Amino acid sequence: QQQVKQSPQSLIVQKGGISIINCAYENTAFDYFPWYQQFPGKGPALLIAIRPDVSEKKEGRFTISFNKSAKQFSLHIMDSQPGDSATYFCATKRIFNTDKLIFGTGTRLQVFP
Amino acid sequence: EPEVTQTPSHQVTQMGQEVILRCVPISNHLYFYWYRQILGQKVEFLVSFYNNEISEKSEIFDDQFSVERPDGSNFTLKIRSTKLEDSAMYFCASSGALNTEAFFGQGTRLTVV
Repeated sequence: QQQVKQSPQSLIVQKGGISIINCAYENTAFDYFPWYQQFPGKGPALLIAIRPDVSEKKEGRFTISFNKSAKQFSLHIMDSQPGDSATYFCATKRIFNTDKLIFGTGTRLQVFP
Repeated sequence: EPEVTQTPSHQVTQMGQEVILRCVPISNHLYFYWYRQILGQKVEFLVSFYNNEISEKSEIFDDQFSVERPDGSNFTLKIRSTKLEDSAMYFCASSGALNTEAFFGQGTRLTVV
């Protein structure tokens, strides 16, 4: 019940295209769903996060879609840019306690000009 | 902007030697974590620390590992007798009172030879 399944493992998108990364979780007690972006040699950086009381959250070109009944959430990157090329990790946890983040396996995104 | 700082950025050590990885979390944060990432793989939880004690540890965090917060600002991870398989990026993270957004440091690359 602690796993987070992430797909695809890698993604190649042309500049201006839409990148979509999906995650599925098992534990219905999780109530915080962030996406982290990681560039080579750097630490993960929070990109955007959602709570289960909303089905979608948008920040600039980045949107999280959340489907509580299916226990799935996804990251959409609109108008993908070469600077978006990085590894993206979904994660989840329960908030308001000492729980750690449980990470997905990561998606390596490459955006070509 | 406040940030988590980690030192050293890269450490090479001989198998069997002790290493101490250092972290300075964001000053008003209450929850502290160590994660590790073997090259190209997912981010794995090692240990969480709250209220001056370990709140959770993973099966990776065996008797060879220990954590300390000696002076209210630093947070250290010690590996007593390093093994080749300890070679990885080690990330420190901290989060505030609600334990939602976790801020990660830039990591320490540990190479055991």
